[in-house]
Amino acid sequence: VIWMTQSPSLLSASTGDRVTISCRMSQGISSYLAWYQQKPGKAPELLIYAASTLQSGVPSRFSGSGSGTDFTLTISCLQSEDFATYYCQQYYSFPITFGQGTRLEIK
Amino acid sequence: QLQLQESGPGLVKPSETLSLTCTVSGGSISSSSYYWGWIRQPPGKGLEWIGSIYYSGSTYYNPSLKSRVTISVDTSKNQFSLKLSSVTAADTAVYYCASIYDSSGYAAFDIWGQGTMVTVSS
Repeated sequence: VIWMTQSPSLLSASTGDRVTISCRMSQGISSYLAWYQQKPGKAPELLIYAASTLQSGVPSRFSGSGSGTDFTLTISCLQSEDFATYYCQQYYSFPITFGQGTRLEIK
Repeated sequence: QLQLQESGPGLVKPSETLSLTCTVSGGSISSSSYYWGWIRQPPGKGLEWIGSIYYSGSTYYNPSLKSRVTISVDTSKNQFSLKLSSVTAADTAVYYCASIYDSSGYAAFDIWGQGTMVTVSS
């Protein structure tokens, strides 16, 4: 099983800020990593796959980087609709695993 | 545009079997380009992958649930299903079905159903 450490678990920020969320793997996964956004009462939505490829329709202020064991999700200029919970997910090997989540709240 | 919709009982008694169905619309479950998956989320907690299936019936299961899980596909109804046996309160969660746009199953979940809440209680 590949274990994932996502940090921070809670992130307070203001509109217009640049924020980063980290995801570290217990072993290398090449670029088999996705990022999701989840708003309360809603299903997760895919933001980024293959570590850095933006899903169609996702704003360009979202970006992903990293390979191997260390990955980062960056939101360059926070908008009000970005306050949500974010999850990383590895699909390098089964079982598929998710990070613990990062709740991004308004400061 | 592919859409997925979960359905099934919202309340299941302890020790019984949870049964959910995911209906796929806007595309064929028999497409060789997709795997199909189940994910769950206990109230206030994170996401847990349950398992994935290909239209041929090939499956991958989470080892933590494998002894209790069966995922199957019904191509005639464009549906796939989840059965989880011997449920306890720990199985209370929102259950999501989702698609994986990859014939190997090694890809992100690109389309999700809205989710269905299942409570295990007597």
